[in-house]
Amino acid sequence: GAVVSQHPSRVICKSGTSVKIECRSLDFQATTMFWYRQFPKQSLMLMATSNEGSKATYEQGVEKDKFLINHASLTLSTLTVTSAHPEDSSFYICSASSWDNNYGYTFGSGTRLTVV
Amino acid sequence: QKEVEQDPGPLSVPEGAIVSLNCTYSNSAFQYFMWYRQYSRKGPELLMYTYSSGNKEDGRFTAQVDKSSKYISLFIRDSQPSDSATYLCAMSAGNQFYFGTGTSLTVIP
Repeated sequence: GAVVSQHPSRVICKSGTSVKIECRSLDFQATTMFWYRQFPKQSLMLMATSNEGSKATYEQGVEKDKFLINHASLTLSTLTVTSAHPEDSSFYICSASSWDNNYGYTFGSGTRLTVV
Repeated sequence: QKEVEQDPGPLSVPEGAIVSLNCTYSNSAFQYFMWYRQYSRKGPELLMYTYSSGNKEDGRFTAQVDKSSKYISLFIRDSQPSDSATYLCAMSAGNQFYFGTGTSLTVIP
C-alpha cells in the first residue's frame, strides 16, 4: 500500500529558530501534498496544498512567509516553520495524494513541534 | 454551517460491544467517503473508503453511506481495547477533502 514517511517525529526548538519537516512518499509519486496542523482534541486544519513544481496554495489565515513549503520532487515536500514561537507548537501532519494509488490520500505519522 | 459534523464524544464502551460512529454533511457534491483511525500522537490511517451510497464491510468494520440523508456511519463489531482511538470521517469532492472533528473512542477491557 501507499506509504508516506514524515520526519522528524518530534522536535524541540528555541524560540526564533527555524525548523524543517520532511514528508516523503515512499512507493508512489505524490502529485499533490497537503500540510495540516492539529491541536489537541481537535481535527486536522489544512494549512496548504502543494503541487510538485509549483507554489503552494495557502489556506486563509496561514502566513506563507512563516510556513514555507517546498515540493521540488514527486516524492518530497518540506515544511519550514521560520522564526518559530511557542504558539507554533503543535502537531503537524503531511499527506500525499496520487490518484494512481487508489487511496487518494495517505497521511504521514506526524511531527510534534515544541517551541520553548 | 460546517461542511462535516461529527460528535467528538468521548465514547466509552465495554469490550465486545458494537460501536456506532456517525457524521453528517451538507455538501451534496461529496462522492468519496472515508473513515480514518488516529492513535494518540500518530497520523491518521485509512480504515474504510467508499464511493457513493451503500454499505462496505471489512472484517469487524462496516461503513454505511446514505447520500439522501447526507449521513455516514462506521460500525465496529466485537470492539477490542486496541480499537481505542480517535475516528475521523472524511469526505471529498474532487481534490477537496473535508474532515470531521473526530470521535474519541475508548474500549474498556
